[in-house]
Amino acid sequence: SQTIHQWPATLVQPVGSPLSLECTVEGTSNPNLYWYRQAAGRGLQLLFYSVGIGQISSEVPQNLSASRPQDRQFILSSKKLLLSDSGFYLCAWSVESSAEKLFFGSGTQLSVL
Amino acid sequence: GESVGLHLPTLSVQEGDNSIINCAYSNSASDYFIWYKQESGKGPQFIIDIRSNMDKRQGQRVTVLLNKTVKHLSLQIAATQPGDSAVYFCAESPNQAGTALIFGKGTTLSVSS
Repeated sequence: SQTIHQWPATLVQPVGSPLSLECTVEGTSNPNLYWYRQAAGRGLQLLFYSVGIGQISSEVPQNLSASRPQDRQFILSSKKLLLSDSGFYLCAWSVESSAEKLFFGSGTQLSVL
Repeated sequence: GESVGLHLPTLSVQEGDNSIINCAYSNSASDYFIWYKQESGKGPQFIIDIRSNMDKRQGQRVTVLLNKTVKHLSLQIAATQPGDSAVYFCAESPNQAGTALIFGKGTTLSVSS
């Protein structure tokens, strides 16, 4: 069966510090991978998605970036965090060539202070 | 902005009642719709989905209704239980290559005993 792992679960970082969130998927090949952000009490905002290794599409211009160094690994990064980067970050995957049913990770609660 | 929205941000019901959560979408080309349940501090979990060639689909205690004429989607939960308390999101797939699910803002369902 397929599983998705996302870590860390919580993170407190000072403004201006770097960020690296990691997500891995097991039990499937060539998944589509996604990073969403959820502000408190808000819906899910798509940040990045990837259909293959090294292929990243950005939905929202910001100081975040994403990379996919391996087929089932998706990394969200920032060189310098802003206060507005605080939120709940969710990684998700879907089967190859389908942007329909997404399977989400457990999320990372990021607080930038 | 988001093309999928919900009519009410919160819904409070008594245990045992039936719950109806509504969602309106704006993209008439969307051909796939999905409902997620998100408990506090966790990632969204799939509940039920429906394609545009259907107007009703039933699961265990849940039913999704799709009215393409007025671009309206609803989730019905029968015999609501305290464990159903969560935020519910609808999402649509715009049926365009290279796009991902678009989520609404969510409805918080509170079930009292």
